[in-house]
Amino acid sequence: AQRVTQPEKLLSVFKGAPVELKCNYSYSGSPELFWYVQYSRQRLQLLLRHISRESIKGFTADLNKGETSFHLKKPFAQEEDSAMYYCALSGGGGFYGGATNKLIFGTGTLLAVQP
Amino acid sequence: GAGVSQSPRYKVAKRGQDVALRCDPISGHVSLFWYQQALGQGPEFLTYFQNEAQLDKSGLPSDRFFAERPEGSVSTLKIQRTQQEDSAVYLCASSLGSPSSGNTIYFGEGSWLTVV
Repeated sequence: AQRVTQPEKLLSVFKGAPVELKCNYSYSGSPELFWYVQYSRQRLQLLLRHISRESIKGFTADLNKGETSFHLKKPFAQEEDSAMYYCALSGGGGFYGGATNKLIFGTGTLLAVQP
Repeated sequence: GAGVSQSPRYKVAKRGQDVALRCDPISGHVSLFWYQQALGQGPEFLTYFQNEAQLDKSGLPSDRFFAERPEGSVSTLKIQRTQQEDSAVYLCASSLGSPSSGNTIYFGEGSWLTVV
């Protein structure tokens, strides 16, 4: 079954501390992995996708196929990073239409960065 | 436009009532999605449109849920005979092309449905 697991409902760190938000997935195939973020009173938005291999707002995430993980990391947390973070996967593969276009989300981790 | 627009933002329905939720995607966006997000959960896929064609409705929880996008732009999610377990935020999202081709999905602010 396709599933995304985020084991931590809440992660509280102090400003300047490193952050790692955990994400594990199960999927029989080659998924595409994403991190979405929802700041307070804002809409859900894409933070980064594994295919881009880029750093956004200091965050990076590496896809580890052996461990089926896609943890989100940042070396020094900022107060403005406080938000709800969702890990998600889609089927990848790219055939037109069908289930590969849907996102499967985890339950989310609330990151609270204390001053 | 400024982004994906949803209405109403908040809806309280009595059990058994029918509700209709509207989504205006970003202009020109071909793909449109509906998700349901219960309290404390991540969004769960309901249905997907490519223009006016509903290509995937595997996530609709029952035949009380119906979605349409007749002209390939605005979409309506209709819930008939609402029940308490339908209480959730309903998120609409759109993308310029097929997400499986790398297009970013943009979400609306959601319609908060409470069934009493």
